[in-house]
Amino acid sequence: AQTVTQSQPEMSVQEAETVTLSCTYDTSESNYYLFWYKQPPSRQMILVIRQEAYKQQNATENRFSVNFQKAAKSFSLKISDSQLGDTAMYFCAFRDEQTGANNLFFGTGTRLTVIP
Amino acid sequence: EPEVTQTPSHQVTQMGQEVILRCVPISNHLYFYWYRQILGQKVEFLVSFYNNEISEKSEIFDDQFSVERPDGSNFTLKIRSTKLEDSAMYFCASSEAIAGGQETQYFGPGTRLLVL
Repeated sequence: AQTVTQSQPEMSVQEAETVTLSCTYDTSESNYYLFWYKQPPSRQMILVIRQEAYKQQNATENRFSVNFQKAAKSFSLKISDSQLGDTAMYFCAFRDEQTGANNLFFGTGTRLTVIP
Repeated sequence: EPEVTQTPSHQVTQMGQEVILRCVPISNHLYFYWYRQILGQKVEFLVSFYNNEISEKSEIFDDQFSVERPDGSNFTLKIRSTKLEDSAMYFCASSEAIAGGQETQYFGPGTRLLVL
C-alpha cells in the first residue's frame, strides 16, 4: 500500500524568507503523480504544484518549486519569498498512474505559519 | 474560476440518523470523489465515481455509505445510521479525467459532520 509521510507537523518562516516542507512516500510503482495541496484556514484545499514521476525536471510554479528525488522517494516543497497568504496547512499527496486507481493518498499535513 | 461547492458547511446529527452531504462538481468534470478527514488525522479516500457508477472504493466505504448523482449537477454522499466515529470533515472533489494532464482533483470546502 502507498504511504505518504510528512514529518514536520508545524513550521514557521519569516516573511520574505524561504522554507522547505518535506514529504516522503513509499510505493512499488514506477509511474505515479505527486501533488502539494494548500488548505488556508477555513478554506478549501487548492492545488499548489504537481509532478509526474516520469519527468526528471522538477516542477516550478512561480514561488513554489519541488525537489523530486525518485530514488529516495522524496518530494519536498520549497516556498521562496514567503508571503502572509502562504499561511496554511500543506498536504503532500500521491496517486499512481494505474487506470482506475485514481484516488489520492495524503500525508498528515504540515501547518505553515508565515510570521510578519 | 469554476469551483467545487458543498452543502451544508456544517451538519450536526444524532447517532443512528441518516445524513446526506451534497456536492456540485465542476461542470465539465467526469470523475467525482469523496474523502474524509477525522480531526487530527490524514485525509482518507472513500470512493470515486464515474459514468454513474462507483469506480473505486476504500475499506472505509462500507454498506452504510452510498453515493449518487441524482441529476446533472449534484453528487451526494449518504450515510445511513450514523455512528460517533463518522464525525469528520467530508471533502468532495472532481477531476476532468484521470490521465493526460487532466487528472488533478479539485476539492470543495468540505462539510463538517458532527455525530452526537
